Amino acid sequence: EVELVESGGGLVKPGRSLRLSCTASGFTLGDYLMSWFRQAPGKGLEWVGFIRSKGYGETTEYAASVKGRFTISRDDSKTIAYLEMDSLTTEDTAVYFCAREGYRSGWYSAYWGQGTLVAVSS
Amino acid sequence: DIVMTQSPDSLAVSLGERATINCKARHSVLYTSNNKNYLAWYQQKPGQPPKLLIYWASTRESGVPDRFSGSGSGTDFTLTISSLQAEDVAVYYCHQYYTVPWTFGQGTKVEIK
Repeated sequence: EVELVESGGGLVKPGRSLRLSCTASGFTLGDYLMSWFRQAPGKGLEWVGFIRSKGYGETTEYAASVKGRFTISRDDSKTIAYLEMDSLTTEDTAVYFCAREGYRSGWYSAYWGQGTLVAVSS
Repeated sequence: DIVMTQSPDSLAVSLGERATINCKARHSVLYTSNNKNYLAWYQQKPGQPPKLLIYWASTRESGVPDRFSGSGSGTDFTLTISSLQAEDVAVYYCHQYYTVPWTFGQGTKVEIK
């Protein structure tokens, strides 16, 4: 059974960094595209970025709002995907979700974690 | 960016009646080489992550009740709930994964009349 569990969220001051983890089980992490999304309080869904599968070179793409500040990576041996967030601002306050594509090269996000809350405030 | 616009923003439907949500993309999300529309629909209930209902515009995810259906191609898409049940109260989002940045519609809130 596919399971994704996010961790690492919390309260952080503006300008600081935070690293979120997405622990995966039930599948081989490197075989799938893994995405991060976020949802600000009371708002809609926003794509943050993704890391492609090994078959696609494990390259990454990011939303313009986070490009240059956020980095997605993964450690297949630990079955964990990461979202490293630097230079955080209050605009980054949101619940962050990781997700896996439905099948190899399917692209759409079928499996989602429960999310972890990141609050950026002084 | 491909802007996704849903209509209406909210709707109230009687139990057992049909609910229809529309989604319009500013640019086509049909990939002509494989004839697939890179369009998904999600349902989200308060405090929960999004749940995939439909992908490739019209393919129902395993385990999703058949009262949910998706249609459309190119730039215009529809999610239909054929007979609304109490458990269908939620916010629904369309989502294009045709090109980055991936984008979502603003969401449509479905309630019981």
